[in-house]
Amino acid sequence: AQKITQTQPGMFVQEKEAVTLDCTYDTSDQSYGLFWYKQPSSGEMIFLIYQGSYDEQNATEGRYSLNFQKARKSANLVISASQLGDSAMYFCAMREGEDSNYQLIWGAGTKLIIKP
Amino acid sequence: NAGVTQTPKFQVLKTGQSMTLQCAQDMNHEYMSWYRQDPGMGLRLIHYSVGAGITDQGEVPNGYNVSRSTTEDFPLRLLSAAPSQTSVYFCASSYSPGPRYGYTFGSGTRLTVV
Repeated sequence: AQKITQTQPGMFVQEKEAVTLDCTYDTSDQSYGLFWYKQPSSGEMIFLIYQGSYDEQNATEGRYSLNFQKARKSANLVISASQLGDSAMYFCAMREGEDSNYQLIWGAGTKLIIKP
Repeated sequence: NAGVTQTPKFQVLKTGQSMTLQCAQDMNHEYMSWYRQDPGMGLRLIHYSVGAGITDQGEVPNGYNVSRSTTEDFPLRLLSAAPSQTSVYFCASSYSPGPRYGYTFGSGTRLTVV
């Protein structure tokens, strides 16, 4: 079974609109971390936001926020007021705290295209 | 502050050739790892290291070797290149293996095996 599922292979969004990228995860660990990375067409991986399993509040970083619903095992990325520069691949990833080899487990990604 | 430096950025190999992808970080990170990224897939872990002198296999280790003689460097060796190893390779480092710590990535190496 996949541990990280991103159900949206691609999305088109109008500039200045908000966009939500979905991510669900599967783990039996109590301690884990959830991450979102952006990969523009240039190829580098850029860290956006982190949510810890014990964090009571949803993480926010500028225009990025994470809608963390622990009971549903979802960690959706919300980008407010989208910009053309937000066009990129977005990856959700998880790092488990116990009985793992410390790797980041990745989803397949969502390709986001912002339309002017 | 250079972060994670990967070289080369691009490489074309013939089947059967060997080569080493270089990775260096200047952040004193204990945890380093190599991933490959193939179209339509997330990153898959090849090898990782939790400190100098300690390495272990990830999800897809076959055909690759690593060593970690210093905290800073973590080279990835392709022993006998195969077309199936055509991919984009990322080196990443983290302050700690713990779940709270994210990765800093190198800029990637695009490898083509013909």
